[in-house]
Amino acid sequence: AQSVTQLGSHVSVSEGALVLLRCNYSSSVPPYLFWYVQYPNQGLQLLLKYTSAATLVKGINGFEAEFKKSETSFHLTKPSAHMSDAAEYFCAVTDSGNTPLVFGKGTRLSVIA
Amino acid sequence: KAGVTQTPRYLIKTRGQQVTLSCSPISGHRSVSWYQQTPGQGLQFLFEYFSETQRNKGNFPGRFSGRQFSNSRSEMNVSTLELGDSALYLCASSLIAGNNEQFFGPGTRLTVL
Repeated sequence: AQSVTQLGSHVSVSEGALVLLRCNYSSSVPPYLFWYVQYPNQGLQLLLKYTSAATLVKGINGFEAEFKKSETSFHLTKPSAHMSDAAEYFCAVTDSGNTPLVFGKGTRLSVIA
Repeated sequence: KAGVTQTPRYLIKTRGQQVTLSCSPISGHRSVSWYQQTPGQGLQFLFEYFSETQRNKGNFPGRFSGRQFSNSRSEMNVSTLELGDSALYLCASSLIAGNNEQFFGPGTRLTVL
């Protein structure tokens, strides 16, 4: 069974600083990995996904994530944080198209002016 | 193209009542998944429907049920509501079953008193 661990339920960064949100997964087969963002009172929006192509995945809003099989990680980064990035971020994994997505507990990102 | 729509957006019920939530997927999408989101448990998968058939079911009691219609619209029902059912219920649609790029609706916020 797959699982996802997001290290840090709350991350706070200064505006303009690097954003790093950590995600480690567990999967017995090559995984499909996703990052979603949720703004207050809204649903989830897909930021990016890894589906066994390039290990460095670029997403929307300047975010990217790198798949590292040896570390079973899929950390999300953004070089320079904006105030508008403040939201909750979820990492999710599935091992195939036949099993449901499994989500991490989420990381709330705060951006300080 | 219109996104995933969910109705109602907010709902208040009392213990013991039942509730029906509705989800209209993106036009052309045939797969609909439902998730429950709570502060304590995070995002948990409820069920997935494709072509009016339930493909997957999460670990929820039988009080939680769903269905999908021929136009791909989906409903979920919760009977004999409990306080712990208070949550944000999210619906997500995807083009086909097993296509893990899911598009989420804004959710229905259910409060059980």
